[in-house]
Amino acid sequence: EPEVTQTPSHQVTQMGQEVILRCVPISNHLYFYWYRQILGQKVEFLVSFYNNEISEKSEIFDDQFSVERPDGSNFTLKIRSTKLEDSAMYFCASSERRADTDTQYFGPGTRLTVL
Amino acid sequence: QKEVEQNSGPLSVPEGAIASLNCTYSDRGSQSFFWYRQYSGKSPELIMSIYSNGDKEDGRFTAQLNKASQYVSLLIRDSQPSDSATYLCAVKSGNNRLAFGKGNQVVVIP
Repeated sequence: EPEVTQTPSHQVTQMGQEVILRCVPISNHLYFYWYRQILGQKVEFLVSFYNNEISEKSEIFDDQFSVERPDGSNFTLKIRSTKLEDSAMYFCASSERRADTDTQYFGPGTRLTVL
Repeated sequence: QKEVEQNSGPLSVPEGAIASLNCTYSDRGSQSFFWYRQYSGKSPELIMSIYSNGDKEDGRFTAQLNKASQYVSLLIRDSQPSDSATYLCAVKSGNNRLAFGKGNQVVVIP
């Protein structure tokens, strides 16, 4: 069964460093998302991406964040200068189409630890 | 007002019993509703989706939707120890994003 994959599973970085989190969405899916979950808190939407551009972003997704689809399979989230409060699980998700009846499938997540 | 609210504390149920979870949402225009299961340290896994008022059954799971009351629920029948997890209510909002509740932890006692 097709699934969303994410690398790395765990990333440790120093405050102020840049990190890139990688995702491979399900192959026939057209919509891609990033969510994050700070330990003990709810899952929060960051950004959605379709047709090589951002379709929606939350207030969390400020200028320190960017997304890119560098080739036909990968979808990346870059954090330019990490802060302690960026420590969280980051989940990538994808969906086949935009219709309201569609389902978002989540990858296993990348645990980001900022020291 | 929070977009999606799940207010119940941890729910302990004996094996074989019914677990009942509730969720309310604020956006009256929402049309798509989901229940995800999340094991500790893992990602959300879709359990059920529901789009129309009424009940939807899938195996041991039943989702109920009442748009007039802005209320979604999930019933888990014949609860098994493997059902012990956090259950997340999610509502599709905006362009296509999911708004999640904080989740309800379910503990099934053998």
